Amino acid sequence: DAKTTQPPSMDCAEGRAANLPCNHSTISGNEYVYWYRQIHSQGPQYIIHGLKNNETNEMASLIITEDRKSSTLILPHATLRDTAVYYCIVSSPDSNYQLIWGAGTKLIIKP
Amino acid sequence: ETGVTQTPRHLVMGMTNKKSLKCEQHLGHNAMYWYKQSAKKPLELMFVYSLEERVENNSVPSRFSPECPNSSHLFLHLHTLQPEDSALYLCASSHRQGWNEQFFGPGTRLTVL
Repeated sequence: DAKTTQPPSMDCAEGRAANLPCNHSTISGNEYVYWYRQIHSQGPQYIIHGLKNNETNEMASLIITEDRKSSTLILPHATLRDTAVYYCIVSSPDSNYQLIWGAGTKLIIKP
Repeated sequence: ETGVTQTPRHLVMGMTNKKSLKCEQHLGHNAMYWYKQSAKKPLELMFVYSLEERVENNSVPSRFSPECPNSSHLFLHLHTLQPEDSALYLCASSHRQGWNEQFFGPGTRLTVL
């Protein structure tokens, strides 16, 4: 089973920042948090990952709380093309570091 | 362009047919994966190959048979499938096994009649 909890859906206005929350209260010290997204009718796309420090790349920022029990993915200026299902995944040594996927958050960007 | 291609993109087959799905990656990666995505269910990992050797088989029925002839190509051979096997089959690759920045292909939409 997935070790993360995400809201099933969220809306965001175009041009605003989209903040997607994820709870992973049972995360252990050597587990990374990964974010992927899946646009309709496409394969998933890697976005970003982190261990305990905040991370930023050209797509998004990842904010991990100090206790590592939750994180937030931030899309700074959402566009209509960011409409997708966003998956937060904790990679566990118990599963040979395989990605265990949950249901994700359906993010809808509205004009 | 993800660097991972899959063919065919759509496939309809009967339960007695034999077909194969093909995946090719142009990224120089050493690990390749098959996933199944059924309607309203999370992605399920089926098989993992590392350096052309199968390292994971997540209790997949024998009617699904993977093949990895080299590090760039991955096949999924299908025979005597059931209608409940209808799903999107996704291939992915990564630098190495356990390196979870995975690159996915567009998938093959399979319908079993």
